Amino acid sequence: AQSVTQLDSQVPVFEEAPVELRCNYSSSVSVYLFWYVQYPNQGLQLLLKYLSGSTLVKGINGFEAEFNKSQTSFHLRKPSVHISDTAEYFCAVRKSGATNKLIFGTGTLLAVQP
Amino acid sequence: DGGITQSPKYLFRKEGQNVTLSCEQNLNHDAMYWYRQDPGQGLRLIYYSQIVNDFQKGDIAEGYSVSREKKESFPLTVTSAQKNPTAFYLCASSQHQENTEAFFGQGTRLTVV
Repeated sequence: AQSVTQLDSQVPVFEEAPVELRCNYSSSVSVYLFWYVQYPNQGLQLLLKYLSGSTLVKGINGFEAEFNKSQTSFHLRKPSVHISDTAEYFCAVRKSGATNKLIFGTGTLLAVQP
Repeated sequence: DGGITQSPKYLFRKEGQNVTLSCEQNLNHDAMYWYRQDPGQGLRLIYYSQIVNDFQKGDIAEGYSVSREKKESFPLTVTSAQKNPTAFYLCASSQHQENTEAFFGQGTRLTVV
């Protein structure tokens, strides 16, 4: 079965430090990968997506992610975080050739401290 | 502005009552979804619809029902059979192609009192 794993439920980090949020997926076929951000009591907003081509994907708010097919990973990175980046981040996958179900990980709370 | 509108934002329900959550989109998307969000469990798929008058159960459909009579609308009914309905509910939509992202509404927080 297709699944998405976000190993870290919470990542504390100081302001202006770099951060990496990890995401691994399981699938035997090609996938499309997404990262979303959710601020408290709001819906989800797309940060970036990997569809094909370059494995390094740049998104909004200075975030980027790298698709690694051999390690089935799609980790999210930012070189310098701000207080305003405090939010929950979700990794999601949609399998190629299947129904349009979008499967989400359990989320990682990024807590930026001054 | 194009987008997805969920209403109401907050909803209180007495035990044993059915309640319907509204979701409307003006993005001309074929596919629509309902997710349930609980702390520490991420988003779990309740129902999804790829076309008008057709929908499929997701991973946690028990105690829920949906309809898709119009392309723009995908209401979710939380029935009295749902044992633990208190949660944050998110509606989303996307184009039918698999290489497209989903767009989300602002959510409805349902509390059973």
